[in-house]
Amino acid sequence: NAGVTQTPKFQVLKTGQSMTLQCAQDMNHEYMSWYRQDPGMGLRLIHYSVGAGITDQGEVPNGYNVSRSTTEDFPLRLLSAAPSQTSVYFCASSRTLAYEQYFGPGTRLTVT
Amino acid sequence: GQQVMQIPQYQHVQEGEDFTTYCNSSTTLSNIQWYKQRPGGHPVFLIQLVKSGEVKKQKRLTFQFGEAKKNSSLHITATQTTDVGTYFCAGQSADSWGKLQFGAGTQVVVTP
Repeated sequence: NAGVTQTPKFQVLKTGQSMTLQCAQDMNHEYMSWYRQDPGMGLRLIHYSVGAGITDQGEVPNGYNVSRSTTEDFPLRLLSAAPSQTSVYFCASSRTLAYEQYFGPGTRLTVT
Repeated sequence: GQQVMQIPQYQHVQEGEDFTTYCNSSTTLSNIQWYKQRPGGHPVFLIQLVKSGEVKKQKRLTFQFGEAKKNSSLHITATQTTDVGTYFCAGQSADSWGKLQFGAGTQVVVTP
């Protein structure tokens, strides 16, 4: 099993550009989520999904969209990048929220 | 809303010494999870506590869940250089279904 994979590993965007961060898992997990990590602030939940076709907002959803058309994939879309979105983004999955979260390797995003 | 706080933010430890990091929630938690993140890496699951007053051990690491299920601690004995990293607690409460709230983490530096 590859576990949780994320692409790209690094990305530089200009303000106003849009892009999609990819996340996939091969463990047949129902729960998937996106976090951003900024220095001194821990991991903050952006969006989550409890199954295919179901998504909901987390703590910091503004400026981001998600969809979950399959169990395996959970892409995160930045609609119009802003410097405040410079961060490290982690995708995670688990059987349900009551189980351990498996994190992907992360995407380091810089918005100039 | 639910808030999870961790103290201390930084912990400098001499190799061989013990230390404890604490996690406090503003609301009662249904469970709490602990993760470790090595520098440049992604969070890795350590343990989950579910029952009031629960204590679990993993070699030199001892995890405790408070009687009121609003706080938790991680105690490391005889610290080694391999313990370097940031330790996060993450809690789920009944009034924030579907969401795991992470603390800001305790960054541990070990000096030989």
